[in-house]
Amino acid sequence: DGGITQSPKYLFRKEGQNVTLSCEQNLNHDAMYWYRQDPGQGLRLIYYSQIVNDFQKGDIAEGYSVSREKKESFPLTVTSAQKNPTAFYLCASSIEGRTAGSSYNSPLHFGNGTRLTVT
Amino acid sequence: AQSVTQLGSHVSVSEGALVLLRCNYSSSVPPYLFWYVQYPNQGLQLLLKYTTGATLVKGINGFEAEFKKSETSFHLTKPSAHMSDAAEYFCAVSEWTGGGADGLTFGKGTHLIIQP
Repeated sequence: DGGITQSPKYLFRKEGQNVTLSCEQNLNHDAMYWYRQDPGQGLRLIYYSQIVNDFQKGDIAEGYSVSREKKESFPLTVTSAQKNPTAFYLCASSIEGRTAGSSYNSPLHFGNGTRLTVT
Repeated sequence: AQSVTQLGSHVSVSEGALVLLRCNYSSSVPPYLFWYVQYPNQGLQLLLKYTTGATLVKGINGFEAEFKKSETSFHLTKPSAHMSDAAEYFCAVSEWTGGGADGLTFGKGTHLIIQP
């Protein structure tokens, strides 16, 4: 079955360390996204990528970095510059990216998330 | 700019009772609207979406939502709650502005509690 795989499910790091969260999809989707979820705050967009070798900052990109070297992979690095990294991170994909003039009705498909705890 | 307001961070209903989760949006153009469900420690799943056409949209697991332009609402309902419906529900709006790359905005979520 096609889907999105996020690994690991739980991740623990010491403050000051960079950490990379994995996201792989076999849906052949063009677009991929990273969201951060905190209790009572909904989902906030970190980065998104509409095609390979291209990505854009979302609403809360500071302290994060991404790469999109392959269509199926979109890893997220949480750097030591991120002040409050402890959160639930969700990766998503959609058939098409949202470009100017397109209809944004392609639903998002989500992975099961990675819970990052930094102490 | 678009926004989504979900009234009630927690909603509690008895098993078998009507479920009503409220969502109001603001958008400068006709929106596309979505409801997603999230079970504990999982990602989000699409329940239903409204794009154009019929304003009453049916989704999975017996849920439906009605787009009311005059009220700028997209409330989610289910006639009879089941214990398995206990989850977090998110309303989202996507505004087709013809410009910009990502126009999807999520509400803060409503936690649905089902009482036996």
